[in-house]
Amino acid sequence: QKEVEQNSGPLSVPEGAIASLNCTYSDRGSQSFFWYRQYSGKSPELIMFIYSNGDKEDGRFTAQLNKASQYVSLLIRDSQPSDSATYLCAVTNFGNEKLTFGTGTRLTIIP
Amino acid sequence: DAGVIQSPRHEVTEMGQEVTLRCKPISGHDYLFWYRQTMMRGLELLIYFNNNVPIDDSGMPEDRFSAKMPNASFSTLKIQPSEPRDSAVYFCASSLQGFPYNSPLHFGNGTRLTVT
Repeated sequence: QKEVEQNSGPLSVPEGAIASLNCTYSDRGSQSFFWYRQYSGKSPELIMFIYSNGDKEDGRFTAQLNKASQYVSLLIRDSQPSDSATYLCAVTNFGNEKLTFGTGTRLTIIP
Repeated sequence: DAGVIQSPRHEVTEMGQEVTLRCKPISGHDYLFWYRQTMMRGLELLIYFNNNVPIDDSGMPEDRFSAKMPNASFSTLKIQPSEPRDSAVYFCASSLQGFPYNSPLHFGNGTRLTVT
């Protein structure tokens, strides 16, 4: 079992709709969760981070964490063509700073 | 803030040659990470440092790889001898705070390494 799993996609969403990206993780002790966006040929850039169960909103982005189900998601409202990118879920191990990334979900917003 | 600075941006070398990648973290960040990204394996953590001390190097693929952090503002990742399978994008990242509520990583622009 991979430590952090994501659907590789591609995920196609019409412009203006909600894009939903999902991630599961295997370490029950994980306490820090991150979503990064990576455009082709560029470095990952932070979108959001979340530490506690529940929802965290920042503009058009909402991160959702459910530690009991070992599940974290990212919702993008009012999707724009500029949101087309690969989205990486990252999770820290319990007790250290080791950040493990999923392989990413490629998102395409269709105008 | 200049962000994490990596050099070179691109490196093309022949098999068997030594390669040195360089990184300057964000000032004040206590943690420095080296990652490698390939299409097949995604982003893999190679090694990370806290206050210039290597904490976990379990991701370093083999003895051909070595990393150092002689001071708080500089780190190197060396591959000697290089092999074609080392071709990848190597990212350096830094962060401010560790466990239990880790700060986000800030990535450099990466070094694209091609070994022929």
